[in-house]
Amino acid sequence: KAGVTQTPRYLIKTRGQQVTLSCSPISGHRSVSWYQQTPGQGLQFLFEYFSETQRNKGNFPGRFSGRQFSNSRSEMNVSTLELGDSALYLCASSLLILDTDTQYFGPGTRLTVL
Amino acid sequence: ILNVEQSPQSLHVQEGDSTNFTCSFPSSNFYALHWYRWETAKSPEALFVMTLNGDEKKKGRISATLNTKEGYSYLYIKGSQPEDSATYLCASRGSGGSNYKLTFGKGTLLTVNP
Repeated sequence: KAGVTQTPRYLIKTRGQQVTLSCSPISGHRSVSWYQQTPGQGLQFLFEYFSETQRNKGNFPGRFSGRQFSNSRSEMNVSTLELGDSALYLCASSLLILDTDTQYFGPGTRLTVL
Repeated sequence: ILNVEQSPQSLHVQEGDSTNFTCSFPSSNFYALHWYRWETAKSPEALFVMTLNGDEKKKGRISATLNTKEGYSYLYIKGSQPEDSATYLCASRGSGGSNYKLTFGKGTLLTVNP
């Protein structure tokens, strides 16, 4: 079974631009979560989607948004990029039949904002 | 404890040594505790999910225990091997509302010298 895929893997943008990141979950998984990893910080939770509905949201500004499609693929958008948005963005999928279900992570998208 | 905290931040051991790390998490509204291993240039890989006080899980040379009353979990590696070198992350999920999201610690970076 194919794992979680994320595109693109690397991205360079300039301040003020916007960016869209994509995540394709493992087949059959209906939950997708997004995380931001910056140097010195742990994985910071951005949001979680299940069956096209946002189930939970982390403490990030409104410039960060996401959505999930009917095929469970998810996109994350960051508008008006700031230097501090440079990070590794990871998505994770799970079956979410049980709330203890394991999350499976993708390889991440490395975003650099210049 | 409001956040998930891990100690030590980093650890260097010799091949064959046994080692352990600590994860502290909020004991109120606790739902589940996850452990992940994150090797350089790879995706985080799930090790264990634990929910019950006193839970013990084992996977090969790696084991984990859980104390939900006092809010801590230990991860043990017996007879460390160079391939165990990775960052070990724990994440706590609370029950309900904004506590429900998976909150990660900053990780313990383990280096096993041959």
